[in-house]
Amino acid sequence: AQSVTQLDSHVSVSEGTPVLLRCNYSSSYSPSLFWYVQHPNKGLQLLLKYTSAATLVKGINGFEAEFKKSETSFHLTKPSAHMSDAAEYFCVVTRMDSSYKLIFGSGTRLLVRP
Amino acid sequence: NAGVTQTPKFQVLKTGQSMTLQCAQDMNHNSMYWYRQDPGMGLRLIYYSASEGTTDKGEVPNGYNVSRLNKREFSLRLESAAPSQTSVYFCASKVETKNIQYFGAGTRLSVL
Repeated sequence: AQSVTQLDSHVSVSEGTPVLLRCNYSSSYSPSLFWYVQHPNKGLQLLLKYTSAATLVKGINGFEAEFKKSETSFHLTKPSAHMSDAAEYFCVVTRMDSSYKLIFGSGTRLLVRP
Repeated sequence: NAGVTQTPKFQVLKTGQSMTLQCAQDMNHNSMYWYRQDPGMGLRLIYYSASEGTTDKGEVPNGYNVSRLNKREFSLRLESAAPSQTSVYFCASKVETKNIQYFGAGTRLSVL
C-alpha cells in the first residue's frame, strides 16, 4: 500500500529565512511525487513533480524538492521565504495502478513572520 | 483560460436537502475527479471518471453520486445531505501525458 506522511502540521519561519517542509512516502514501486500549494480560499496549484528523471526537482516560485530513495523522503525547500509563501502545502504520491489516482498527505501550513 | 470551473462557490444546506455541484473543464482532458477536503486530512477522492461515460468510486463515495455528462462536465450530487458532508469540495481534471491534475477553486458546503 502507498502512503504519504507530512511530518509537520505547521511550520513557522521568518521572512528571508530558509523553508523546509518534510515529507516521507511509502511505496512498493518507484512513485511519481508532487508538491501542491493551496493559498487561503483557493484551489490547489502544482509546485513541482518528480518522475525519476532527476533527483533534485525545481518548481515554481523558487521552491525545489529532493527525492531520496534511501530515506523515502521528498522534502520541499526554499532558500528564502517570502510573505506570499504563506499557504498550505501538500505532498502527494501517485497510486501505481491503472487509474493513477493521487494520495494526499495531511498538509503542512506554512506561516511566514515579518 | 478558465481551466476548471466549479459552481457554486458556497452553499448552505439543511439536513436532508439535495444539491448538485457542477464542474466543467475547458482543457479537453479525459479524466476528471471529485475530492473532499477536511481539516487535517488532506484531500480524499470521492469519485473519478477516466473518460466520458465512465465513473468509478474513490475512497469515500458513500452518500454521493456523479454524472459525467460529456467530456467537459462532471457533476457531484448529494441526494440527502448530512452534517458529515460539511466540507470543501474540489474538482480536478488531468493531463494524461504528464499525469498532472488541475484543480478548481472549490465549493464550500455547510450542512446544518
